Amino acid sequence: AQSVTQLDSQVPVFEEAPVELRCNYSSSVSVYLFWYVQYPNQGLQLLLKYLSGSTLVKGINGFEAEFNKSQTSFHLRKPSVHISDTAEYFCAVSDISPGGTSYGKLTFGQGTILTVHP
Amino acid sequence: EPEVTQTPSHQVTQMGQEVILRCVPISNHLYFYWYRQILGQKVEFLVSFYNNEISEKSEIFDDQFSVERPDGSNFTLKIRSTKLEDSAMYFCASSIHGEGAREKLFFGSGTQLSVL
Repeated sequence: AQSVTQLDSQVPVFEEAPVELRCNYSSSVSVYLFWYVQYPNQGLQLLLKYLSGSTLVKGINGFEAEFNKSQTSFHLRKPSVHISDTAEYFCAVSDISPGGTSYGKLTFGQGTILTVHP
Repeated sequence: EPEVTQTPSHQVTQMGQEVILRCVPISNHLYFYWYRQILGQKVEFLVSFYNNEISEKSEIFDDQFSVERPDGSNFTLKIRSTKLEDSAMYFCASSIHGEGAREKLFFGSGTQLSVL
């Protein structure tokens, strides 16, 4: 079984400032890692994912995340945020089967509300 | 970009009533899912569905819940006898068949179910 902890429930930041949203996970097996974003009145949208390879993953809208296996972390960063980045951000993991696939069963963190102020 | 569509956006029902939540997944997707989020809690996996059968279900998905793909385009979640604790936002999701691509889930905007 896995669990995901997002250490900050709310992160306020000023426009053009850098931001880091923290995510730690625990799992007894290898996992894939994801960040999803939910804008008001919309569904969850995939920002980026780590499956294998380079530990620095770039996603949409200028976001990136770094997988750190020793610290079991997958923190999300953006060097300069915009007002339009105001949303709720979810970190998630899924099991990797012996065949190397996953089956869409995601375990989510509790979400971090990012509020960008002018 | 194609979208997963959920209807209705809000549904209010009386405790003990049956409710059906409807979803139209993206047309060429073959894997379908339901998740829910109780207010203030994490988004939780309920069930995955492929090839007209349940692939996996969580402990939450008990005998009161069922899923169906009745007509090749819709994907429904039925709660047979709703309880107060079923009040939540229910998200439908779908993903395309294929290695790697299977990990990208497309979510609908959710149905807020309120059980009174």
